Amino acid sequence: NAGVTQTPKFRILKIGQSMTLQCAQDMNHNYMYWYRQDPGMGLKLIYYSVGAGITDKGEVPNGYNVSRSTTEDFPLRLELAAPSQTSVYFCASSLGAAREKLFFGSGTQLSVL
Amino acid sequence: AQTVTQSQPEMSVQEAETVTLSCTYDTSESDYYLFWYKQPPSRQMILVIRQEAYKQQNATENRFSVNFQKAAKSFSLKISDSQLGDAAMYFCAYRSGTSGTYKYIFGTGTRLKVLA
Repeated sequence: NAGVTQTPKFRILKIGQSMTLQCAQDMNHNYMYWYRQDPGMGLKLIYYSVGAGITDKGEVPNGYNVSRSTTEDFPLRLELAAPSQTSVYFCASSLGAAREKLFFGSGTQLSVL
Repeated sequence: AQTVTQSQPEMSVQEAETVTLSCTYDTSESDYYLFWYKQPPSRQMILVIRQEAYKQQNATENRFSVNFQKAAKSFSLKISDSQLGDAAMYFCAYRSGTSGTYKYIFGTGTRLKVLA
């Protein structure tokens, strides 16, 4: 049982490049989330999904896109990378009920130079 | 909109001593859940403790306990008998219990240093 798997763990992009951060969970969780973590800023919600085919914006969605074609996968797409997108990205999932904890992936350290 | 505030960017504690990390939140809801997560240098996010707003009793997990003051909207984390392995970033988080809401809202974190 792998939990939440994120790839890659590290990546360096040039300004204007695009990439997809992969996230997969094997716990049959309906709810999945993407957060970014910047120093001193905590975790900010980028996008979330409550099931296959259903996604919605969080606090900081600009510059990102998501899709949810299966329950297991929730990739995050960065188009035209900018230095402001340098951050650590976390994917998380939960069973859905409010009392349930989030299960986190190990994060992706992304630098845009 | 709900907000979560952690006013202590950094705290230090001597090994074996007790430390309290502060968290306040703002909400107009009565049904919600509060969490403390630990993020060690490995970057992995680990749930430390959880509190249901409808419960008056403070949650406890071994050396970790909370002081939940609903009226004051305060949710502090107390770590007793601090150990070197407790050194980490600690994040407070809020989740509404209202049907149709899905977001977990995090504070900015407190970095805890444990001194040998």
